[in-house]
Amino acid sequence: GESVGLHLPTLSVQEGDNSIINCAYSNSASDYFIWYKQESGKGPQFIIDIRSNMDKRQGQRVTVLLNKTVKHLSLQIAATQPGDSAVYFCAESEDSSYKLIFGSGTRLLVRP
Amino acid sequence: DAGVIQSPRHEVTEMGQEVTLRCKPISGHNSLFWYRQTMMRGLELLIYFNNNVPIDDSGMPEDRFSAKMPNASFSTLKIQPSEPRDSAVYFCASSLSGGPLLAYEQYFGPGTRLTVT
Repeated sequence: GESVGLHLPTLSVQEGDNSIINCAYSNSASDYFIWYKQESGKGPQFIIDIRSNMDKRQGQRVTVLLNKTVKHLSLQIAATQPGDSAVYFCAESEDSSYKLIFGSGTRLLVRP
Repeated sequence: DAGVIQSPRHEVTEMGQEVTLRCKPISGHNSLFWYRQTMMRGLELLIYFNNNVPIDDSGMPEDRFSAKMPNASFSTLKIQPSEPRDSAVYFCASSLSGGPLLAYEQYFGPGTRLTVT
């Protein structure tokens, strides 16, 4: 099984509520950001991306907000569903390069 | 579309044995990535291929690790000899990129869970 390691921060929300997952990044040269969702036993699944020339980008039920001033990224999920329960990772890259640096992740638990 | 295919899904082996992980990227994708995921270190990029050529192998832990991409539809990651600290989930990802150094959406496979005893 899994080795003992870091405990992921956990966000618990009621089904139907909106969820906001936050991510801080430290590299001011990062200009490409992605959010991934990882369900137990599966690989990361692309959710949405944003480049630094944008502050906001919307997808289906998800919105990513980028605040370059404070180096902060957030993922908003509208009307959270049980199927949204997973670990969410933000990832960044510098100079829009292929080399993604992944955050440590946030676990989202959706209460029925 | 079948997505990225990895095999085996689980591998249990003894220390010192050779381990080979396999990946079939999404058809038409020209970039392939091997990652390792552990609780302690998270997701780490091991190696990146563009058009079957290794572009960045700086994440490969040591000489025991090697990766090949003989054609656009197949890649292997080999560990020889394996050690208990290699136990992790290994992911392959692929993307269609406009250039060897550019970032584009990466699609991940289901991973191979490796346990070395």
